[in-house]
Amino acid sequence: DAKTTQPNSMESNEEEPVHLPCNHSTISGTDYIHWYRQLPSQGPEYVIHGLTSNVNNRMASLAIAEDRKSSTLILHRATLRDAAVYYCILNGETSGSRLTFGEGTQLTVNP
Amino acid sequence: GAVVSQHPSWVICKSGTSVKIECRSLDFQATTMFWYRQFPKQSLMLMATSNEGSKATYEQGVEKDKFLINHASLTLSTLTVTSAHPEDSSFYICSAREDRGLTYSNQPQHFGDGTRLSIL
Repeated sequence: DAKTTQPNSMESNEEEPVHLPCNHSTISGTDYIHWYRQLPSQGPEYVIHGLTSNVNNRMASLAIAEDRKSSTLILHRATLRDAAVYYCILNGETSGSRLTFGEGTQLTVNP
Repeated sequence: GAVVSQHPSWVICKSGTSVKIECRSLDFQATTMFWYRQFPKQSLMLMATSNEGSKATYEQGVEKDKFLINHASLTLSTLTVTSAHPEDSSFYICSAREDRGLTYSNQPQHFGDGTRLSIL
């Protein structure tokens, strides 16, 4: 399975934008880039996913590099409820659509 | 939309007991569901992939006779931990993949809130 690399932790202030990076240099042409987040003592929550073009939804934006070797999850205005572990996962034919969770990025949001 | 309900949310039982956990997709059909386990301070580990009407596919190292999975309908999958022991204590989480008619990798998975299992 193609791997992703994320910083272990990041901090942000409330109401400021947050850019969460993810490197995936071994991504294959059919791999979609998925983002999930997990709040304490809860199951993960789907955030967003994309293939090549940037994507926006009500939760976040996903910016994908032109060579697809990296991507950035953008939270436009962080709230305290956004404090969670964020996982960047490649999902493609080689993974059989199974999600392989790494360690993710622990986001702390300061009031 | 896309809600997955998992029940029970927590269970405490004696060693040797079998425990059944239910996972339901409430407002969509899910041909495929997944079962994960998460130990404290660790990431999620996929245990098995459950397909409606067929046998589950287990990940390497997961005992299929220990963790029985049944996926009898498009909205329900169950995980039974048989003869549970203290080392089986963990946070068990299910997910269901929406079938939107797209390629599997282009479809999100939706997760239940997890079941915290404590074996005394």
